Amino acid sequence: GDSVTQMEGPVTLSEEAFLTINCTYTATGYPSLFWYVQYPGEGLQLLLKATKADDKGSNKGFEATYRKETTSFHLEKGSVQVSDSAVYFCALSEKTSYDKVIFGPGTSLSVIP
Amino acid sequence: NAGVTQTPKFQVLKTGQSMTLQCAQDMNHEYMSWYRQDPGMGLRLIHYSVGAGITDQGEVPNGYNVSRSTTEDFPLRLLSAAPSQTSVYFCASSYGGSLAYNEQFFGPGTRLTVL
Repeated sequence: GDSVTQMEGPVTLSEEAFLTINCTYTATGYPSLFWYVQYPGEGLQLLLKATKADDKGSNKGFEATYRKETTSFHLEKGSVQVSDSAVYFCALSEKTSYDKVIFGPGTSLSVIP
Repeated sequence: NAGVTQTPKFQVLKTGQSMTLQCAQDMNHEYMSWYRQDPGMGLRLIHYSVGAGITDQGEVPNGYNVSRSTTEDFPLRLLSAAPSQTSVYFCASSYGGSLAYNEQFFGPGTRLTVL
């Protein structure tokens, strides 16, 4: 079945450091890929998405590129801020299976001043 | 526009008790779902609904019931609580059609502890 693997962390970075959170997936079809973010005490919210190979999703300074050849969707940000401290979830949804999203285990990020 | 609301925020139950977690959305979304979040396991789908009167099982449905009598509400019932159901529960909703293209909107969660 489909699955998502991501580095679990926790990841601790200093403010203005470069961030990479790795995400790889296994899918039987051709899925859309997502990054969701969960701030402390809140529900998840969509950060960015990509629906086809080589698409780049971007939002709030975060970027991720859909790499079909390596089945990856790594999240990057050039300069993190304390306000980026959160848990980040990589996820996929098959275009042919319209009613389910598969989430990775989440990566906890702490940014220290 | 309140989005997705969940009540209660916190709940402690004893083994064997039953309860209902409430979820409501005011966005006229057709799709609604319940997830549980456990450390190191991400979110796992419990039940979902693609419209009023239609529900289906997700990955971990045992011990839970749902119904969808209106578009707005999607309650989750624990029939006989067990310690293994200690978790954080999230309700989510989305426009109709494929989740591959439509964003899910999540509620703030209910933290449930079963003693």
